Amino acid sequence: NAGVTQTPKFRILKIGQSMTLQCTQDMNHNYMYWYRQDPGMGLKLIYYSVGAGITDKGEVPNGYNVSRSTTEDFPLRLELAAPSQTSVYFCASSPRESLNTGELFFGEGSRLTVL
Amino acid sequence: GQSLEQPSEVTAVEGAIVQINCTYQTSGFYGLSWYQQHDGGAPTFLSYNALDGLEETGRFSSFLSRSDSYGYLLLQELQMKDSASYFCAVMDDYKLSFGAGTTVTVRA
Repeated sequence: NAGVTQTPKFRILKIGQSMTLQCTQDMNHNYMYWYRQDPGMGLKLIYYSVGAGITDKGEVPNGYNVSRSTTEDFPLRLELAAPSQTSVYFCASSPRESLNTGELFFGEGSRLTVL
Repeated sequence: GQSLEQPSEVTAVEGAIVQINCTYQTSGFYGLSWYQQHDGGAPTFLSYNALDGLEETGRFSSFLSRSDSYGYLLLQELQMKDSASYFCAVMDDYKLSFGAGTTVTVRA
């Protein structure tokens, strides 16, 4: 199993451009998440999904959009990129049992720079 | 909302024991998780406490006191490869909220 796969791994954007970060998981997990991590900081939740067709805002949703049309995929859309969105983005997934285990499965991250 | 506090840095020598404390204020609480992250890498799961007490996994142990909104991660027999950032995280309604992280530096 590949686990959680994110693409691209690195990307440089110009201010005002748009792009989509892709995330797919092959573990049939119900729950998926997007976090961002700024240098020297913890992870902040952008959006999350509890199943196909259901998404909800996290702590820092402004400037982003998501969709969840299938169990496997959870893309993150950046509209009108700004320098403040320069960060490392992590996608994660978890099964229903995560309330009892506390474990999320993370992808390797996508490093985005907005210039 | 959620608020977690943990020390920003800890330095210790190989073979030593390090304790990373975490205090939290949350609107909801299912449990406290701990994650390790090496430079440039993804966070990896270490342990989870849903109930009060100590959980031991090899050289690492984690403790939780729900009444005190407090937990800690204990790293024993420190090795150079343990140099990393460690995050506590509160599980609430299938979402994890992370602390800012503690950078552990292990010296020879």
